[in-house]
Amino acid sequence: GESVGLHLPTLSVQEGDNSIINCAYSNSASDYFIWYKQESGKGPQFIIDIRSNMDKRQGQRVTVLLNKTVKHLSLQIAATQPGDSAVYFCAETQNTPLVFGKGTRLSVIA
Amino acid sequence: NAGVTQTPKFQVLKTGQSMTLQCAQDMNHNSMYWYRQDPGMGLRLIYYSASEGTTDKGEVPNGYNVSRLNKREFSLRLESAAPSQTSVYFCASSGKHSGNTIYFGEGSWLTVV
Repeated sequence: GESVGLHLPTLSVQEGDNSIINCAYSNSASDYFIWYKQESGKGPQFIIDIRSNMDKRQGQRVTVLLNKTVKHLSLQIAATQPGDSAVYFCAETQNTPLVFGKGTRLSVIA
Repeated sequence: NAGVTQTPKFQVLKTGQSMTLQCAQDMNHNSMYWYRQDPGMGLRLIYYSASEGTTDKGEVPNGYNVSRLNKREFSLRLESAAPSQTSVYFCASSGKHSGNTIYFGEGSWLTVV
């Protein structure tokens, strides 16, 4: 999961395996959540979002799960590929600018 | 469709110098943002503009000023650069049709020596 500090949490997975990246968000009133992917030297890119009236949403190879009881968000990536290597950020909002977590670095081992 | 474009991509400044980072978006978004990103840290909001003509402070506004020149453009100014402002700066925008989803530019790498 994400944490404060200079060193990002790192998740290493074998190519083809599934990845699960976790995020603990801070504001129980947040009603919209987004996962972003940031490749080296680039800006963050939108992956998938979910509103608080849902607990699961699926995209192409990605699934976001929301547990409002424990303020926990996760991103699941199916059949992880080398191109999935990046830093992943969760973000939350309640009609305010997005607040970002610190990020998790995903490394895919070929 | 270029999305969010920011300039310059790279800049080295001496302590005390001033500079302006430029940002423009072509998505007709109402809201624009400036974030900074430091090693091992998430993105921290410096200033944002919810609509043309308005600006508001974010989490880390000290040492910065902004101008929402028009709907397309939102600039960030460092009046007297400090080494603590060495960072990667991202401009972003969001609009009515994108909900709260923010779309980012490619970043500006700023080093203050």
